[in-house]
Amino acid sequence: DAGVIQSPRHEVTEMGQEVTLRCKPISGHNSLFWYRQTMMRGLELLIYFNNNVPIDDSGMPEDRFSAKMPNASFSTLKIQPSEPRDSAVYFCASILQLGGELFFGEGSRLTVL
Amino acid sequence: KQEVTQIPAALSVPEGENLVLNCSFTDSAIYNLQWFRQDPGKGLTSLLLIQSSQREQTSGRLNASLDKSSGRSTLYIAASQPGDSATYLCAVQNTGNQFYFGTGTSLTVIP
Repeated sequence: DAGVIQSPRHEVTEMGQEVTLRCKPISGHNSLFWYRQTMMRGLELLIYFNNNVPIDDSGMPEDRFSAKMPNASFSTLKIQPSEPRDSAVYFCASILQLGGELFFGEGSRLTVL
Repeated sequence: KQEVTQIPAALSVPEGENLVLNCSFTDSAIYNLQWFRQDPGKGLTSLLLIQSSQREQTSGRLNASLDKSSGRSTLYIAASQPGDSATYLCAVQNTGNQFYFGTGTSLTVIP
């Protein structure tokens, strides 16, 4: 299996622009997670989906952030409008089922100028 | 809320030495505990997964133990190598399908 695939790997944008990050989980995995990692705060859970349904979005910073999972093989995390404090590495991860092993993608490094 | 702590935050050892990384958690109602490795600029790579009913797991030079009742896990690395230099994170999965991560231990193995 190709593992969890994220795109783009790097994104540099200007404040106020819309950013869309994409994730393809491992085939057959039922749960998908979006995390944000910064030096100051470490890994933070933003949202997770179970069977394509958002279960917990309490970690989403504010209304500027939104996430969708239209089908079992694709998810997006959108930031609109972006701000410099959104600069971080965004990770997508998936697991087969509750209690299973969590697998991460390589991450999307976002820089907002 | 579950809290996960890793001590030390950083560790530097000479090549060949055996070492232990520590992970502690506050709520023992977990499904499992997982150890990850993260290289600079990379994602997290799963090293070992220990189910709550298990006491330890081994993979090559790595051995992870779990004492759920005391809220502790250790990752033992035998005969360390420079290629082991990375940040090591532990995470516990609770019954609500959420993962709680420690802040990691940054390991440097000196040739």
